[in-house]
Amino acid sequence: DVKVTQSSRYLVKRTGEKVFLECVQDMDHENMFWYRQDPGLGLRLIYFSYDVKMKEKGDIPEGYSVSREKKERFSLILESASTNQTSMYLCASIRRSSYNEQFFGPGTRLTVL
Amino acid sequence: GENVEQHPSTLSVQEGDSAVIKCTYSDSASNYFPWYKQELGKGPQLIIDIRSNVGEKKDQRIAVTLNKTAKHFSLHITETQPEDSAVYFCAASIRYSSASKIIFGSGTRLSIRP
Repeated sequence: DVKVTQSSRYLVKRTGEKVFLECVQDMDHENMFWYRQDPGLGLRLIYFSYDVKMKEKGDIPEGYSVSREKKERFSLILESASTNQTSMYLCASIRRSSYNEQFFGPGTRLTVL
Repeated sequence: GENVEQHPSTLSVQEGDSAVIKCTYSDSASNYFPWYKQELGKGPQLIIDIRSNVGEKKDQRIAVTLNKTAKHFSLHITETQPEDSAVYFCAASIRYSSASKIIFGSGTRLSIRP
């Protein structure tokens, strides 16, 4: 059974803290993505990676960075968390250049106080 | 840039009736249109998809239609059941050689009334 896992389902942090969200996929997919989901705004792309050590900005990269040191792992980093980064964060992966399904993790609900 | 608009934002239908969700996209280069269903506490899951060279696709009770000229596509669910209650997202994608970019609609919360 294919799987995308995220390190935490719920996370509470304080303003200014550095936050790491981890995502791991076991499908040997080349492409991995980080989205944030907010009511009425759908899923907005933060960053994506099409290979190890490669990264591309999505639509809302400000305040975030990413790391892809291994093919199966894609990390989202909030350098200095702010309250407007309170959201649901979803990781996804897909095989390169295919019309196959984009697989999503269960999400991490982050609250920044 | 690419934009995907989805309507309605909420939809309530009687069990057994049909539900229709509509989306429009802006980038004519989009060539792949997946639909995702997100149940409570879970990540979105693909339920059906359509490529730009196809006008309609059906899988049991769900179907998707695509009008490339008008740049809109729709999800149709017939004989709705309680387990169809969820949030549905449409998306438009452009496939490149090394990566693809998927733009999602804002979502439709579908409720099935018993």
